[in-house]
Amino acid sequence: DAGVIQSPRHEVTEMGQEVTLRCKPISGHNSLFWYRQTMMRGLELLIYFNNNVPIDDSGMPEDRFSAKMPNASFSTLKIQPSEPRDSAVYFCASSPPHGPEAFFGQGTRLTVV
Amino acid sequence: AQSVTQLDSQVPVFEEAPVELRCNYSSSVSVYLFWYVQYPNQGLQLLLKYLSGSTLVESINGFEAEFNKSQTSFHLRKPSVHISDTAEYFCAVSNDYKLSFGAGTTVTVRA
Repeated sequence: DAGVIQSPRHEVTEMGQEVTLRCKPISGHNSLFWYRQTMMRGLELLIYFNNNVPIDDSGMPEDRFSAKMPNASFSTLKIQPSEPRDSAVYFCASSPPHGPEAFFGQGTRLTVV
Repeated sequence: AQSVTQLDSQVPVFEEAPVELRCNYSSSVSVYLFWYVQYPNQGLQLLLKYLSGSTLVESINGFEAEFNKSQTSFHLRKPSVHISDTAEYFCAVSNDYKLSFGAGTTVTVRA
């Protein structure tokens, strides 16, 4: 099993640019999560999908952030326009049916300059 | 609502010494409990979990944690650490789909 795959691993972009982060969950998992990790705030849940449907997006910081899951094997997190305070490590995680534990990808380190 | 408190932010320890990382949680309902480990520049890896049954759970690399419902704790222990155990450790609680994480404990193992 390849695990949760995220791309890119590192992204450096200029303020105001659009950024798209990508995630491929583990095959057979039906829950997908996007988390953000910063020194100040720790790990924060941004959005949760179940069976490709967004269930809880209360953690999405503002309208500049959007997430999609067009099918069971792919999700994106988009920031438009990006700001320096968006700099963080973004993790995607997936969970199997009836399994409360989440399996994390390697993360995308985003730097907005 | 649920929350997790990790009582120690940094734990320095010598190789082959024991270590304990403390975790307390608050929740109004029954929960699942987890410990995750994060090595530098890596994602979080599930170390061990408590879902039900025996209150003592073990990992394959010598860690164990004990669920104590009366004290709402889930402390992580290892009797003898290795240099390779240097990492950040996160306690997490879930009662449905949402994992709530503690702030993390950085363990630094020195020779």
